[in-house]
Amino acid sequence: ELKVEQNPLFLSMQEGKNYTIYCNYSTTSDRLYWYRQDPGKSLESLFVLLSNGAVKQEGRLMASLDTKARLSTLHITAAVHDLSATYFCAVEPETGGFKTIFGAGTRLFVKA
Amino acid sequence: DVKVTQSSRYLVKRTGEKVFLECVQDMDHENMFWYRQDPGLGLRLIYFSYDVKMKEKGDIPEGYSVSREKKERFSLILESASTNQTSMYLCASSEGGGNSPLHFGNGTRLTVT
Repeated sequence: ELKVEQNPLFLSMQEGKNYTIYCNYSTTSDRLYWYRQDPGKSLESLFVLLSNGAVKQEGRLMASLDTKARLSTLHITAAVHDLSATYFCAVEPETGGFKTIFGAGTRLFVKA
Repeated sequence: DVKVTQSSRYLVKRTGEKVFLECVQDMDHENMFWYRQDPGLGLRLIYFSYDVKMKEKGDIPEGYSVSREKKERFSLILESASTNQTSMYLCASSEGGGNSPLHFGNGTRLTVT
């Protein structure tokens, strides 16, 4: 059974600081996704990582995938208040059809 | 832009009622999903469908069923609602073949009293 673990689950940081959110998963996969959810809103896709070593960047966020370690990271550079949201990673296993399993989410709060 | 529309934003139902949650997508996506979202638990997959009339159980299918009679519509049915089914329900769709992100609806917050 695929398990997806994120840490930390809650992160409070000052504007201008850097930090990394980690996503570990328990079975082989080379398809990992990051989503953002604002309070009271639905989820929006941020990054799609489809191979070992994949790196994607958008603004102050950078995501990477290491399929050998079964680890993805979401790095935040020089955080700003607008990045405050909940971030989810999600994994599509190699077997099991298109079933996508989510981590518990990381609630990020950036203090101005 | 893909649009995934859930029929209700808020629902209040009584224990034992049969509840229908409807979801429609307008981008001809093959795959559709139902998740429930609870604080601290993230999103848990209830059911998904990769084609019309095809369905697969997710991680927490007990107490739920689904129907997909048309490609664009995926319904979640609570046969006999219980208070532990009070939750936020999210519908999503994605292109066939995998390797593509999910597009989510705005969610239905269901309260069972």
